[in-house]
Amino acid sequence: DTGVSQNPRHKITKRGQNVTFRCDPISEHNRLYWYRQTLGQGPEFLTYFQNEAQLEKSRLLSDRFSAERPKGSFSTLEIQRTEQGDSAMYLCASSPPEGRGTEAFFGQGTRLTVV
Amino acid sequence: AQSVTQPDIHITVSEGASLELRCNYSYGATPYLFWYVQSPGQGLQLLLKYFSGDTLVQGIKGFEAEFKRSQSSFNLRKPSVHWSDAAEYFCACSGYNKLIFGAGTRLAVHP
Repeated sequence: DTGVSQNPRHKITKRGQNVTFRCDPISEHNRLYWYRQTLGQGPEFLTYFQNEAQLEKSRLLSDRFSAERPKGSFSTLEIQRTEQGDSAMYLCASSPPEGRGTEAFFGQGTRLTVV
Repeated sequence: AQSVTQPDIHITVSEGASLELRCNYSYGATPYLFWYVQSPGQGLQLLLKYFSGDTLVQGIKGFEAEFKRSQSSFNLRKPSVHWSDAAEYFCACSGYNKLIFGAGTRLAVHP
């Protein structure tokens, strides 16, 4: 297993366009998270899946953002009508089902630049 | 509300010197605490974690951290810094269904 995989690594898009990112978690991990990280800040929680169910969404996740995990495996994060403020690193993480204190394993992230 | 504070935005140390990065948390219940490291353009790698038991925890790359409940702190330490330790360090607290991160401390190492 090569860990959490995110694609693409980099995305440049024009304002107003839609973008979609993909995350493939570690295979036996049933929990999946999306975070957003802007320059000089720590990662901020966006949303959480347990298997295919989206159990929590941050208020940061506006109605332009949608995340799915259709079969409880990979996940996608879509941003519609991108704005310059959406420019950030989008990090995906996964963790096994053991409990609250289990560490999250992070992917290398997708860096989005909106021009 | 749960929160994590890293008071030092940027720290510079000389190679071979000791290091301490500060972290304070605010959490109502027993905290689960983590330190992650992030190199430029990369994801986060776990250095160490504290759940319970011994308040001094050992991690990878020679790092250790001490949990002090009375001070709501979980400071990261290393006795002798290497140039390859230059990176950004994040302290995190495990909330319900998510990690809550501090803003990070950027470490620069002088030769």
